[in-house]
Amino acid sequence: GAVVSQHPSWVICKSGTSVKIECRSLDFQATTMFWYRQFPKQSLMLMATSNEGSKATYEQGVEKDKFLINHASLTLSTLTVTSAHPEDSSFYICSASGWVPTDTQYFGPGTRLTVL
Amino acid sequence: AQSVTQLGSHVSVSEGALVLLRCNYSSSVPPYLFWYVQYPNQGLQLLLKYTSAATLVKGINGFEAEFKKSETSFHLTKPSAHMSDAAEYFCAVSEGTGGFKTIFGAGTRLFVKA
Repeated sequence: GAVVSQHPSWVICKSGTSVKIECRSLDFQATTMFWYRQFPKQSLMLMATSNEGSKATYEQGVEKDKFLINHASLTLSTLTVTSAHPEDSSFYICSASGWVPTDTQYFGPGTRLTVL
Repeated sequence: AQSVTQLGSHVSVSEGALVLLRCNYSSSVPPYLFWYVQYPNQGLQLLLKYTSAATLVKGINGFEAEFKKSETSFHLTKPSAHMSDAAEYFCAVSEGTGGFKTIFGAGTRLFVKA
């Protein structure tokens, strides 16, 4: 089956620093990738949609200068949280989709970000 | 605009009992509907999806869901709960599969008692 990985799985950083999270589709080409944010005991909130080679489309209320998304290849998308603050602490999940193996979204295992 | 409402943030059943998790949706276009399961500190796993074919959809781990357009519902059921079914379940709606934006419900935590 299609596998999506995220790295790192857990990261702790100091307030004011930037953190990069990687999302990779391991065995398929992901034409579209999505980034979600999940607060404890809450649902997933879509942050942005990115298509390979294009600028990401951000959801209303998501600061694009703070959450930088790059989808430079068909197997890799990155989310950079710039100048992180404690309120950015959350669980970040990516998903990826492509026409093969099936037209569906495959979710990564998530990245837990804690900002001190 | 699309939205999803999951009735009941927590559901508790005994092992072997019927599992029923409720989901109602709102969509201005024919919806694609999904149920996902999430275990602690993990990503989401697709249980099943409705994509305008058969209204009764069978998924993994013995789960199934029925699309009822007249009731705008997509409830998830399993005849006999197992301890390993304890997890968070999310209903979701989209305008398509794959590259379409997906809107998630608030989630329902399923507890299974021995």
